[in-house]
Amino acid sequence: GENVEQHPSTLSVQEGDSAVIKCTYSDSASNYFPWYKQELGKGPQLIIDIRSNVGEKKDQRIAVTLNKTAKHFSLHITETQPEDSAVYFCAASKRNTPLVFGKGTRLSVIA
Amino acid sequence: SQTIHQWPATLVQPVGSPLSLECTVEGTSNPNLYWYRQAAGRGLQLLFYSVGIGQISSEVPQNLSASRPQDRQFILSSKKLLLSDSGFYLCAWSLTASGTGELFFGEGSRLTVL
Repeated sequence: GENVEQHPSTLSVQEGDSAVIKCTYSDSASNYFPWYKQELGKGPQLIIDIRSNVGEKKDQRIAVTLNKTAKHFSLHITETQPEDSAVYFCAASKRNTPLVFGKGTRLSVIA
Repeated sequence: SQTIHQWPATLVQPVGSPLSLECTVEGTSNPNLYWYRQAAGRGLQLLFYSVGIGQISSEVPQNLSASRPQDRQFILSSKKLLLSDSGFYLCAWSLTASGTGELFFGEGSRLTVL
């Protein structure tokens, strides 16, 4: 089955700097790659996703890139703000299978 | 609009006691339903998912079970809790059977087994 590896497990950045979180997946048939943000004591929420027919997608300060050949995808957050502090999860799936999540990255933005 | 409700929010149970966590979804029909467990440092582990009433797929062998008695109701149960069952349990739903669609999570249930 699918295996998703996520790095780093913790990340601290100064406010205004960029943050990058990287994930790799094992199943070349996977074609959907979402990113979720989980704030303390709450359920995760989708922040951006990308499908295998797209190499990059951007939404304001966040962007996701996908390299299908290398089987890795990344989340980029620019101009980080304290409210970006949270746990971020990447995930991967293919048709008719549930999402498989990475182990998460705890991002701390220091003011 | 669609909403998902999960309860109880927190639970402290002794080892060997039973468990029942309940999840309901409103505002949609025939959703796919999921139970995930989040343990420290282990990310989101899929426990069960269901594509319809009475249809349950188990991802991890354990002493937990799931049931879907109604279209928008998903229950996670155990007859005898273990210490290792402690964690943050999340119910989620999605619309697409293909798996390639957004998951909407509940607020979670924190279970502590003593």
